[in-house]
Amino acid sequence: DAKTTQPNSMESNEEEPVHLPCNHSTISGTDYIHWYRQLPSQGPEYVIHGLTSNVNNRMASLAIAEDRKSSTLILHRATLRDAAVYYCILRDGGAQKLVFGQGTRLTINP
Amino acid sequence: DAMVIQNPRYQVTQFGKPVTLSCSQTLNHNVMYWYQQKSSQAPKLLFHYYDKDFNNEADTPDNFQSRRPNTSFCFLDIRSPGLGDAAMYLCATDRTSFGGETQYFGPGTRLLVL
Repeated sequence: DAKTTQPNSMESNEEEPVHLPCNHSTISGTDYIHWYRQLPSQGPEYVIHGLTSNVNNRMASLAIAEDRKSSTLILHRATLRDAAVYYCILRDGGAQKLVFGQGTRLTINP
Repeated sequence: DAMVIQNPRYQVTQFGKPVTLSCSQTLNHNVMYWYQQKSSQAPKLLFHYYDKDFNNEADTPDNFQSRRPNTSFCFLDIRSPGLGDAAMYLCATDRTSFGGETQYFGPGTRLLVL
């Protein structure tokens, strides 16, 4: 399983944008880039995913580098409810499982 | 509307006493997964079912078993729980095994072993 590298923790302020980086230098052509987050005492929750192009949804945006070796999850206007552990995961096109790394613990200051 | 339901949310068992955790889904998804998440760690896949086909991870202890009697339900059996099995157990579903699919997770069952 291809590996991802994320900072252990990040901090931001409420109502400001947050950029969460992820490095995946060994990504293969068939790997999808997924982001999940886990709020305290809850199961992980899907945030967004992409293959090659940038993606937007109601929760966030995903910016994928041209060489696909890194990506950034963008929360446009953080709220206190966005405080969670964010996991960047590569999932092969034919894979049946997600392999979680350690993730980034995001703290939002009021 | 709950889509992946896990019962109970908290389970206390005694050392060595068999315990069963349950998961149900209303999504009619083909794939169901069980993950173990210990304190301050990332979720770790134990095994999964694709329809009725069982797929065990290589490092999952024999103490952990699973059953999937129908599409909607999946059970995790721990035959002889040890203190090291105390963790959050997460159930998840997938429509197919395609890399672009989204996994849906339940809220988890927190297991305490006394």
